Amino acid sequence: EIVMTQSPATLSVSPGEGATLSCRASESVRSKLAWYQQKPGQAPRLLIQAASSRATGIPARFSGSGSGTEFTLTISSLQSEDFAVYYCQQYYNWPQTFGQGTKVEI
Amino acid sequence: QVQFLQSGAEVKKPGASVKVSCKASGYTFTTYAMHWVRQAPGQRLEWIGWLNADYGNTKYAPKFQDRVTISRDASATTAYLELSGLTSEDTAVYFCASGGGGMATITHFDYWGQGTLVTVSS
Repeated sequence: EIVMTQSPATLSVSPGEGATLSCRASESVRSKLAWYQQKPGQAPRLLIQAASSRATGIPARFSGSGSGTEFTLTISSLQSEDFAVYYCQQYYNWPQTFGQGTKVEI
Repeated sequence: QVQFLQSGAEVKKPGASVKVSCKASGYTFTTYAMHWVRQAPGQRLEWIGWLNADYGNTKYAPKFQDRVTISRDASATTAYLELSGLTSEDTAVYFCASGGGGMATITHFDYWGQGTLVTVSS
């Protein structure tokens, strides 16, 4: 199965600053890459699908890029509600697999 | 709006089985697949299996193949996950989820249940 590796494990940022999160696939997943946000005690929330398409209702400060094996989630000007854990997921090859997460903290 | 309401937390002994339900609403149940994903404490999300909500056929991750059963009651718009031979490593939050892939076995997940905590302890 395809292994998804995220970096860094933890990212310390101040409100108003930007953040860049990385996700690497062990083999090409083309653009079949999604990003999720998860807060404690909640289910994951879809942010980005197809590597760069924002899901319905997701603010424009979230953007995704990349293809093949290297992907990036960028959050411009972090808001207090953005502090959470972020996961990437490939859905190109069965079974779909997730990264280990990046925690964005103050 | 699409909603999934899962059953409550469970505590099971090693070797036992658990059955978790997921009641769907806000869409036609038989037009989208239902997936199950779990998250052990401090671990990454892990896909368990897929259900064709229309025909009832299933596909499971190899890791769970021998001890998982996913089923549904279409008249009740409810999907079920049953996991047998529980060990402490099965302690996790179990989510039902569905997405834009329709009946695809592989997809991103737009909608999630609230999660069901299953604790396995002697």
